[in-house]
Amino acid sequence: SQQGEEDPQALSIQEGENATMNCSYKTSINNLQWYRQNSGRGLVHLILIRSNEREKHSGRLRVTLDTSKKSSSLLITASRAADTASYFCATVPYNTDKLIFGTGTRLQVFP
Amino acid sequence: DGGITQSPKYLFRKEGQNVTLSCEQNLNHDAMYWYRQDPGQGLRLIYYSQIVNDFQKGDIAEGYSVSREKKESFPLTVTSAQKNPTAFYLCASSKGRESAFMNTEAFFGQGTRLTVV
Repeated sequence: SQQGEEDPQALSIQEGENATMNCSYKTSINNLQWYRQNSGRGLVHLILIRSNEREKHSGRLRVTLDTSKKSSSLLITASRAADTASYFCATVPYNTDKLIFGTGTRLQVFP
Repeated sequence: DGGITQSPKYLFRKEGQNVTLSCEQNLNHDAMYWYRQDPGQGLRLIYYSQIVNDFQKGDIAEGYSVSREKKESFPLTVTSAQKNPTAFYLCASSKGRESAFMNTEAFFGQGTRLTVV
């Protein structure tokens, strides 16, 4: 079963706009991670936020975590055409060793 | 160069055959994972291993088998019992359990695309 579900499933924006993706999960977690996947390739880690953190930044990325609502958001500011990819959240459920991925958001950034 | 390598990149299998997908890492990671990805879908966990000679079933283990005889290697066998094996298979590794309750990122290989013909 999928631990996380991303919303929206697909998102199309113009270069320069901000892109926001949301992730909801089902159980308590140790941490939540966001990954990027270019078409037909492996995944690349973007950012990790621990269960005791509420917000984290990395370059143009901003991640928030609300453990009371079991949700996270990824904000990409000033998007570029090169940001076009699928984005996945992943969680390590509490007291497990599993790394469980969500369903993903397909982001298309038009020049 | 440190990294995780999957081979082959493309694999074709006849119905009824077993095939083995290779995954090798030289990152000295304890944890390794296998995922299946269907077109336009997320990743589903097949098997994972936290230590040599030990592994656990993920959410969709039926029709698959793995071994972890060496820290560097975690091959996945897709058996004839897997009814719909055509998919993109991804292997990943991370520092694992001993690294502060899994607070580390996973590194992915470039995937193997398996097609049943």
